[in-house]
Amino acid sequence: DGGITQSPKYLFRKEGQNVTLSCEQNLNHDAMYWYRQDPGQGLRLIYYSQIVNDFQKGDIAEGYSVSREKKESFPLTVTSAQKNPTAFYLCASQSRGGAPADTQYFGPGTRLTVL
Amino acid sequence: KNQVEQSPQSLIILEGKNCTLQCNYTVSPFSNLRWYKQDTGRGPVSLTIMTFSENTKSNGRYTATLDADTKQSSLHITASQLSDSASYICVVTLNGNQFYFGTGTSLTVIP
Repeated sequence: DGGITQSPKYLFRKEGQNVTLSCEQNLNHDAMYWYRQDPGQGLRLIYYSQIVNDFQKGDIAEGYSVSREKKESFPLTVTSAQKNPTAFYLCASQSRGGAPADTQYFGPGTRLTVL
Repeated sequence: KNQVEQSPQSLIILEGKNCTLQCNYTVSPFSNLRWYKQDTGRGPVSLTIMTFSENTKSNGRYTATLDADTKQSSLHITASQLSDSASYICVVTLNGNQFYFGTGTSLTVIP
């Protein structure tokens, strides 16, 4: 999984609760991404960050929030405003200027289930 | 509209046989195309990456081809093994930081 860790592996949440998913990388990558994966669909981008203290919304950011206070860490909070949060969440990081360029490395994922 | 389509959606083959997975894309301008392998419940792992000027790239028993004119790529798996059972995802990169993911092909290798 290329030096990216996600925790926990499985997470259960009651409706109405916020929950935070952890993503840490030790690859010294500048860019980090959060994706959501649902059965039968391609990965969908939630948020991404290309530099510390800066992040951008992806295609499905509603109901999610992120922070990027450190280069190594990019936590994702799933808020109660997210109407259908049960999914597999993947974090990725990207090298800049490394070889090969544009390499994206993925973490092992967190499966979130809302009860 | 930038899209990546993969076929077949699922595939079952006997151990030791070869197979080919397809990826068609409309992403433009094209930066690179990557094939990932994703085991169930795990994150995707990169198999191959090809830029516009490359038309084939191998990684062991995996060989990817790219036809930039027709915007098609294929992933050929030779002498399949049980451990090849996974989802294979085609990803096309636009401008270096925009990624378009296919929905994947689910491959099952049976003994």
